[in-house]
Amino acid sequence: AQKITQTQPGMFVQEKEAVTLDCTYDTSDPSYGLFWYKQPSSGEMIFLIYQGSYDQQNATEGRYSLNFQKARKSANLVISASQLGDSAMYFCAMREGGDYKLSFGAGTTVTVRA
Amino acid sequence: DVKVTQSSRYLVKRTGEKVFLECVQDMDHENMFWYRQDPGLGLRLIYFSYDVKMKEKGDIPEGYSVSREKKERFSLILESASTNQTSMYLCASSFLKLDRADTQYFGPGTRLTVL
Repeated sequence: AQKITQTQPGMFVQEKEAVTLDCTYDTSDPSYGLFWYKQPSSGEMIFLIYQGSYDQQNATEGRYSLNFQKARKSANLVISASQLGDSAMYFCAMREGGDYKLSFGAGTTVTVRA
Repeated sequence: DVKVTQSSRYLVKRTGEKVFLECVQDMDHENMFWYRQDPGLGLRLIYFSYDVKMKEKGDIPEGYSVSREKKERFSLILESASTNQTSMYLCASSFLKLDRADTQYFGPGTRLTVL
């Protein structure tokens, strides 16, 4: 069964607007971590933000925030004030408490228009 | 800053060749990982290592092997390359053991084409 689902293959957003990238996950482990990575056309995966399953508050890192809805098992990434440099593929990933590995979604391509 | 480097950005090999992909990290991380990335499938784990000379199979280990003789270096080996191994290969490393907050840091990737 798919552990991470990203339903939006591609999105367009106007510069300076906010964009929300959807991510739902599936786990029965009460202890898990959720990650978002950015992959520009250069190929390198860049870590953006982390949310732990026990964290009371939604994570924020600069223009990135994570809308964590535990009961719905969703961890959407919000990018505020989009910039042209935000054009990239974005991956949602999860680690379950007792596991080394990350499970990744299929990714969402974001294109920011001037 | 964490630095993960991979030996080649682009590689073209022929079917049946033995292929070595090298990954080096400079942050004394215990854990190292090899992923394969294909369109629409995200990243899939091939192998990982949590210590020198230790290795564990990931989700898609068939056709691959790995070697970790030194802590900073993790090699992915395609014993006999096939066209279905044409893909982007990403190496990652991380520091903490079995911690859900442990962040993996990635190298730039190697785009392998097998003809």
